[in-house]
Amino acid sequence: DAGVIQSPRHEVTEMGQEVTLRCKPISGHDYLFWYRQTMMRGLELLIYFNNNVPIDDSGMPEDRFSAKMPNASFSTLKIQPSEPRDSAVYFCASSPSGGVQTGYEQYFGPGTRLTVT
Amino acid sequence: QKEVEQNSGPLSVPEGAIASLNCTYSDRGSQSFFWYRQYSGKSPELIMFIYSNGDKEDGRFTAQLNKASQYVSLLIRDSQPSDSATYLCGFQKLVFGTGTRLLVSP
Repeated sequence: DAGVIQSPRHEVTEMGQEVTLRCKPISGHDYLFWYRQTMMRGLELLIYFNNNVPIDDSGMPEDRFSAKMPNASFSTLKIQPSEPRDSAVYFCASSPSGGVQTGYEQYFGPGTRLTVT
Repeated sequence: QKEVEQNSGPLSVPEGAIASLNCTYSDRGSQSFFWYRQYSGKSPELIMFIYSNGDKEDGRFTAQLNKASQYVSLLIRDSQPSDSATYLCGFQKLVFGTGTRLLVSP
């Protein structure tokens, strides 16, 4: 199995531009998660999906952020317009099963390092 | 109070020693806990999960859960320089601690 695939691995953009991050989860995994990691705030959950349906997007910082999962093998995280404070590493993770009671065994992708100048 | 708290470290131990990493949590209803290892510049990697009070062993790793005291620990026996990384604890609500950096010196 190729694991979780993310693209691009690095993104440098100017403030105000639209940024789209992509993720392909592990085949057969029902859950997909988007995280953001910074030195100051650590690893923060942004949103997660179950069977392509968004379950909890309370971690999405503001309306500039949106996420979609049109099918079981693809998800996007979009930032429009981007700001310097969005600079972080964005991780996508998937899990074969789980729930609020049992938790999730998550497998992380390599991440996208986003720099907004 | 943060939901999950970890000492940021670094925790320095000599090769061959036991490294003890701790995590406390505030939600008494928490039932499952996860330990992830993250090498510098890499993504988190799941190494252990524990649901029940007591110990769970996997090779050189032992996870300990004490629900009454609301802490979860990770012990690494016979620490190796390759264990040098940041260790994140997380629980079922998809909240992670900020991680403890472990340094194992040869």
